[in-house]
Amino acid sequence: GAVVSQHPSWVICKSGTSVKIECRSLDFQATTMFWYRQFPKQSLMLMATSNEGSKATYEQGVEKDKFLINHASLTLSTLTVTSAHPEDSSFYICSARERFYNEQFFGPGTRLTVL
Amino acid sequence: GQQLNQSPQSMFIQEGEDVSMNCTSSSIFNTWLWYKQEPGEGPVLLIALYKAGELTSNGRLTAQFGITRKDSFLNISASIPSDVGIYFCAGRGQGNLIFGKGTKLSVKP
Repeated sequence: GAVVSQHPSWVICKSGTSVKIECRSLDFQATTMFWYRQFPKQSLMLMATSNEGSKATYEQGVEKDKFLINHASLTLSTLTVTSAHPEDSSFYICSARERFYNEQFFGPGTRLTVL
Repeated sequence: GQQLNQSPQSMFIQEGEDVSMNCTSSSIFNTWLWYKQEPGEGPVLLIALYKAGELTSNGRLTAQFGITRKDSFLNISASIPSDVGIYFCAGRGQGNLIFGKGTKLSVKP
């Protein structure tokens, strides 16, 4: 199956700082990438969808100025959590989908802890 | 909006037993996907289904796309300890993937 990597796998930061998470599709061109947030013992919550070269589409209730998403190439998308606060602590997972395919592959996730 | 109901929420079984879980939706889906997630990891795609009535196997796993296009089930035969994890169904209609809330599987050796 297709491989999606995420970096870093975990990060601890101070409140008020910004954190960037990278998501890469290693062996396919990801025309669409998705960013999810997952709280403990809960399902995945879609935050935003991005198509290569276009602005991301954010789900209702997700602050686009808080969670900056860039999908500049067919293999890379980044999520920047700006001015992070403790309530932003969560497990962030990216996912990628190749054009014309219905399968969606996930990265291993990034555990963000904001102190 | 579209909703997915996944059941059961959790299962505690003995090694060697068969497992069955299912998802039902309030509307028609064109794609059903089944994922497994282990602690601290991202979901891993197990089986993808694209046609109503389709029955697909992946080793000891078998999944079916319901004829009504509003449901899907996943069976695991002869469970082993490494089957432990959370299994998510996901369906896509005209928009993005919608996820079920997951079935947590525990296997007692």
